[in-house]
Amino acid sequence: DTGVSQNPRHKITKRGQNVTFRCDPISEHNRLYWYRQTLGQGPEFLTYFQNEAQLEKSRLLSDRFSAERPKGSFSTLEIQRTEQGDSAMYLCASSYSGTPQFFGPGTRLTVL
Amino acid sequence: SQELEQSPQSLIVQEGKNLTINCTSSKTLYGLYWYKQKYGEGLIFLMMLQKGGEEKSHEKITAKLDEKKQQSSLHITASQPSHAGIYLCGAGGGNKLTFGTGTQLKVEL
Repeated sequence: DTGVSQNPRHKITKRGQNVTFRCDPISEHNRLYWYRQTLGQGPEFLTYFQNEAQLEKSRLLSDRFSAERPKGSFSTLEIQRTEQGDSAMYLCASSYSGTPQFFGPGTRLTVL
Repeated sequence: SQELEQSPQSLIVQEGKNLTINCTSSKTLYGLYWYKQKYGEGLIFLMMLQKGGEEKSHEKITAKLDEKKQQSSLHITASQPSHAGIYLCGAGGGNKLTFGTGTQLKVEL
C-alpha cells in the first residue's frame, strides 16, 4: 500500500526561475489537495481537485501559481518567476470523497 | 473564516507523564482532525472526530470533541519519546482543512 508521494523532496532555485512539483496521490483517491506551510505555522490551503476538475482556489494562489491534474491521477504545481516569499514546504494530500486527507512528505522549496 | 487556536504552543514532559493539548475553534466544528508532524516531514493522520461528544482512542492517544465549546482535546497517556513531534488540529468539510499553528511536544528521558 503506497501512500502519497511528492517529487522532488527538496528544491533550491534562484529568484525569478520557474519550478514545478509533482504529487502522486493514493491510487483510489478522487480528491487531491495542495497546501503550503511556512516555519512555525500550520498548513494553508492552496487548491483542490476532484478528479481532473479544479474546484477551489485560495486567494494565496496568485497568478504565478498554477496547478493541474490532467487525467485525474497525479497533479503538478508550478510556480513562475519565483520570489523569496515563496520559500516554504509544499504539501500534497489526497482523500476519497472528502475525509480524511492523507498527506505526502512534502517538497521543501528554497528561493535564493 | 474559521480560526483554530492550539494550546499550549509547546510542551516538554518527562517520559511516562500524561499530557493534554487543546484546540479551540472560532466557529462551530463540523469535523475535527488531529495530525502529527515530524520536523520537515509530512503530516500523519491520527484521528477524525465528527460528532459532538465523540471520543476516539488509538494506542495511548485519546481525542475528544466538545461541539458546544467548539473545542477538541488530545490526551496522551504515559508519554514516550516516540510521541515527540508537532501536533496539529485541522477543521473543515470535505474540501479544505484549516489548521491550527501546532503544539510542539518534546519528551525527555
